[in-house]
Amino acid sequence: EAGVAQSPRYKIIEKRQSVAFWCNPISGHATLYWYQQILGQGPKLLIQFQNNGVVDDSQLPKDRFSAERLKGVDSTLKIQPAKLEDSAVYLCASSTREGLGSHNEQFFGPGTRLTVL
Amino acid sequence: AQTVTQSQPEMSVQEAETVTLSCTYDTSENNYYLFWYKQPPSRQMILVIRQEAYKQQNATENRFSVNFQKAAKSFSLKISDSQLGDTAMYFCAFEGGSEKLVFGKGTKLTVNP
Repeated sequence: EAGVAQSPRYKIIEKRQSVAFWCNPISGHATLYWYQQILGQGPKLLIQFQNNGVVDDSQLPKDRFSAERLKGVDSTLKIQPAKLEDSAVYLCASSTREGLGSHNEQFFGPGTRLTVL
Repeated sequence: AQTVTQSQPEMSVQEAETVTLSCTYDTSENNYYLFWYKQPPSRQMILVIRQEAYKQQNATENRFSVNFQKAAKSFSLKISDSQLGDTAMYFCAFEGGSEKLVFGKGTKLTVNP
């Protein structure tokens, strides 16, 4: 079974530029998550999708970050414009979670390391 | 809001020995899940072990076991017979009714030959 795929693996941009990350979850996984992991810290949830609907985006800086999940499969996370403090690893995860009250393991992708200069 | 605290930024252990990583958490919920994740230099987060709060029995997965103390809100990870491949960052995580994973800051474990 293929795992969660992410691209690119690395990205270097200058501040005020735009960047986009792509995630392909495990086939059949209804729930998709984007996390931000700043160096020296644990991952922090940015946004959670259930199929193609947003379940939780309370920690997404909506003035500069946006995310979409078209057709309930692949997802893209965009930052526009980027700031120095956005330098981090962006992790995508997916799970088979069917709805509230259930629990299923989250499977993580390899992440994208973003450096903002 | 839930918080997860890992008080050991770094630890080291000799190969074949046993090491324990500490984790405490704060919550007012009664039903929740606790996890230990491993993150090697490849950055991929890998689930090591999971504990349901309603279960009194401590979870075990091969060389990995936990000591879950619900009243003390403590959840430590014991790695027995440490191997070089265990070298990684280890994150403790909490999931409650909001179904969001809340992670600690991690412990960097180095297994020395």
